[in-house]
Amino acid sequence: DAKTTQPPSMDCAEGRAANLPCNHSTISGNEYVYWYRQIHSQGPQYIIHGLKNNETNEMASLIITEDRKSSTLILPHATLRDTAVYYCIVSWGAQKLVFGQGTRLTINP
Amino acid sequence: DSGVTQTPKHLITATGQRVTLRCSPRSGDLSVYWYQQSLDQGLQFLIQYYNGEERAKGNILERFSAQQFPDLHSELNLSSLELGDSALYFCASSVRRDSGLTTGANVLTFGAGSRLTVL
Repeated sequence: DAKTTQPPSMDCAEGRAANLPCNHSTISGNEYVYWYRQIHSQGPQYIIHGLKNNETNEMASLIITEDRKSSTLILPHATLRDTAVYYCIVSWGAQKLVFGQGTRLTINP
Repeated sequence: DSGVTQTPKHLITATGQRVTLRCSPRSGDLSVYWYQQSLDQGLQFLIQYYNGEERAKGNILERFSAQQFPDLHSELNLSSLELGDSALYFCASSVRRDSGLTTGANVLTFGAGSRLTVL
């Protein structure tokens, strides 16, 4: 079973920041938080990951709370191409990734 | 192009038949993962191989089998196919040869998938 809880769907206006929340209250000390997205039926695409500190890359920012029990993925300037299902996953080492139902993010023009 | 190659992209077959899906991992990756995604369903983990050895197994049916070859490519064999086996099958790879199995971060790179339709 997935160890994360995400809202099933969210909407965001094009050009605005999309903030996707994720709860992972049972996360272990050595588990990373990963975010992937799946656009339509394409293969899942890696976005970002983090352990304790906030992270930023060319795609997004990841904000992890101090107690590590929740996180937020931020897409700073959402475009129509960001419409996808976003998955928040916790895992460590070379373990398999357990995908939940994710959040279906719709970017509206 | 993610670097993970899956063939065939599409496959249509009949119930009771057997098919083989192939995955070439990203260059330098030692681990291969197989996932199944049925229509409007989530991604279900099937099996993981690391450097030729089975490492983890999910809810993979007994009619399904997989292996990873010395050149690190992997094949997923599906036999006695049923209508319910129609799905997208994704392969992913990770674990760089120069880092090996660690407890650190492990980013999976997914292929484009193989769409299987059983009629």
